[in-house]
Amino acid sequence: NAGVTQTPKFRILKIGQSMTLQCTQDMNHNYMYWYRQDPGMGLKLIYYSVGAGITDKGEVPNGYNVSRSTTEDFPLRLELAAPSQTSVYFCASSYSIGGQSPLHFGNGTRLTVT
Amino acid sequence: DAKTTQPNSMESNEEEPVHLPCNHSTISGTDYIHWYRQLPSQGPEYVIHGLTSNVNNRMASLAIAEDRKSSTLILHRATLRDAAVYYCILRDQIGANSKLTFGKGITLSVRP
Repeated sequence: NAGVTQTPKFRILKIGQSMTLQCTQDMNHNYMYWYRQDPGMGLKLIYYSVGAGITDKGEVPNGYNVSRSTTEDFPLRLELAAPSQTSVYFCASSYSIGGQSPLHFGNGTRLTVT
Repeated sequence: DAKTTQPNSMESNEEEPVHLPCNHSTISGTDYIHWYRQLPSQGPEYVIHGLTSNVNNRMASLAIAEDRKSSTLILHRATLRDAAVYYCILRDQIGANSKLTFGKGITLSVRP
């Protein structure tokens, strides 16, 4: 099991460019999440999904879009990159959305927007 | 959403036990207490979780107060590899707080 895999590991974008952060998991988890972590801070939830075709906003969704066409993949799209989106992005998954279920995280994508 | 409060940092000596506290005075009856840790330049890693009873696994132990308003993560013998940020969060049994945010956590330093 690879677990949760994120690509790329690093990326530098210019202001106004767009990109897609990829996330895939091989644990057959229905629930997937995107978080961002700013320097010295905790993690904030951007979007989450409870299954293929179903997504919902988290705490900080502005400037991002997601889609979930398969159970395995949950890409995060930045349409018009801004310096405020410089952060480390983590994808996570769980087999249930309830409290009995641990979150499994990827190792992150470090994004710099200049 | 129920919140957790943790000290900003703690220090420990290698091979000694470490007790990391977490307060969650507004916890609801259906909230599970979860602990994760984050090593430098890595994603958070699940450590342990519990509802009411104390829990043990190969990584750590979780001691939950009788009133559930606080909990303690116990690392029985700290190693240098345990130096990390430790997050205590609450996850609702039925997913009602699925919009889940992690706080800043406790930064644990381990002295050789």
